[in-house]
Amino acid sequence: ETGVTQSPTHLIKTRGQQVTLRCSSQSGHNTVSWYQQALGQGPQFIFQYYREEENGRGNFPPRFSGLQFPNYSSELNVNALELDDSALYLCASSLRDSQSLSLQYFGAGTRLSVL
Amino acid sequence: QKEVEQNSGPLSVPEGAIASLNCTYSDRGSQSFFWYRQYSGKSPELIMFIYSNGDKEDGRFTAQLNKASQYVSLLIRDSQPSDSATYLCAVTRGDMRFGAGTRLTVKP
Repeated sequence: ETGVTQSPTHLIKTRGQQVTLRCSSQSGHNTVSWYQQALGQGPQFIFQYYREEENGRGNFPPRFSGLQFPNYSSELNVNALELDDSALYLCASSLRDSQSLSLQYFGAGTRLSVL
Repeated sequence: QKEVEQNSGPLSVPEGAIASLNCTYSDRGSQSFFWYRQYSGKSPELIMFIYSNGDKEDGRFTAQLNKASQYVSLLIRDSQPSDSATYLCAVTRGDMRFGAGTRLTVKP
């Protein structure tokens, strides 16, 4: 167990709808990264939040957005869902500081199906 | 060219053998290198990390890094059927970039 929790575990939506996925970080961690993993592929970096601000973004359109809260939990929002958004969405938390290598630990993921 | 490349496999080894997993990366500025194990239907689990050239051992696992060749590998000694999974190589320079993974099967 990594101490990173994600909800919901599964979700079914239709094209054009909006979805919000949630992630609670491991205790003591201040950074959350979100990834999309399509079947048979490695995780693709969506964005990272550090101290409530976006701190890096991958090659994803603006309809993918996020938030990080003061308790370091986070949300991923996806608007105008497309069929290709069907994937496993992974949240990873880490502790970012100047003294140590930042190790990312993943939650169990949310499997999103867009019909 | 993909940022992180791995042989997709499947790689099949007999129980007790050494499994060798390889990864190359394109960004010479990459700073840290990770190996994650992912069982089918589960999330990635961190098993090794390395950031200096050379070897790093942890139990049955050895990670090897050669920055000049932009190459990182994972050796699994005394492979067990429970090691059967997809192994993901990841590199960081700021954010983390993953390869597509190598599927390993250890046959009893």
